[in-house]
Amino acid sequence: SQQGEEDPQALSIQEGENATMNCSYKTSINNLQWYRQNSGRGLVHLILIRSNEREKHSGRLRVTLDTSKKSSSLLITASRAADTASYFCATGSSGYSTLTFGKGTMLLVSP
Amino acid sequence: GAGVSQSPSNKVTEKGKDVELRCDPISGHTALYWYRQSLGQGLEFLIYFQGNSAPDKSGLPSDRFSAERTGGSVSTLTIQRTQQEDSAVYLCASSLPGQHYNEQFFGPGTRLTVL
Repeated sequence: SQQGEEDPQALSIQEGENATMNCSYKTSINNLQWYRQNSGRGLVHLILIRSNEREKHSGRLRVTLDTSKKSSSLLITASRAADTASYFCATGSSGYSTLTFGKGTMLLVSP
Repeated sequence: GAGVSQSPSNKVTEKGKDVELRCDPISGHTALYWYRQSLGQGLEFLIYFQGNSAPDKSGLPSDRFSAERTGGSVSTLTIQRTQQEDSAVYLCASSLPGQHYNEQFFGPGTRLTVL
């Protein structure tokens, strides 16, 4: 299986702190994506990083990818209460017709 | 433009009944995906459509589950003889062609409860 595994399963921080979530996967990938899910409903795409990229930024988000370690990290800087959600990594690979999602990290940001 | 829509948003049914869940993808998105998410769990892939054909049905958990897509647009996921373990949120997503490289746009999901 190429399933991604997020770590930690749950993370609780205060507003203004940074939050770091990690994702590990098992097979070669073309790209890795991060999604956010609020209240157990639809997911929202945050950022995509291709296998030939090592770092990408989008606003307060920073994603890194280490293909040699088959791992990625998502950093949210200066967190806000509105960042409270579950965060999922998803991998896309040649030969697979869809993304494979991990089980997610639940982030709680307290005011 | 409108995003992915799903209906109904909530469905409560009795064990043994059939249910149909509907997904309207974003116009122009040829790829459509169905996922299932049980409480507190990640997303479980069910089926993928490219146009009206389903090249990957590997995630359907049993022959009670089926899906179709017509006109390259609307898709229906049917669960026959529902069981309590079918209770979950069913999520639909769509994307542009070249699905490995593009983001998936998700609908709000249908929460299915089987009593």
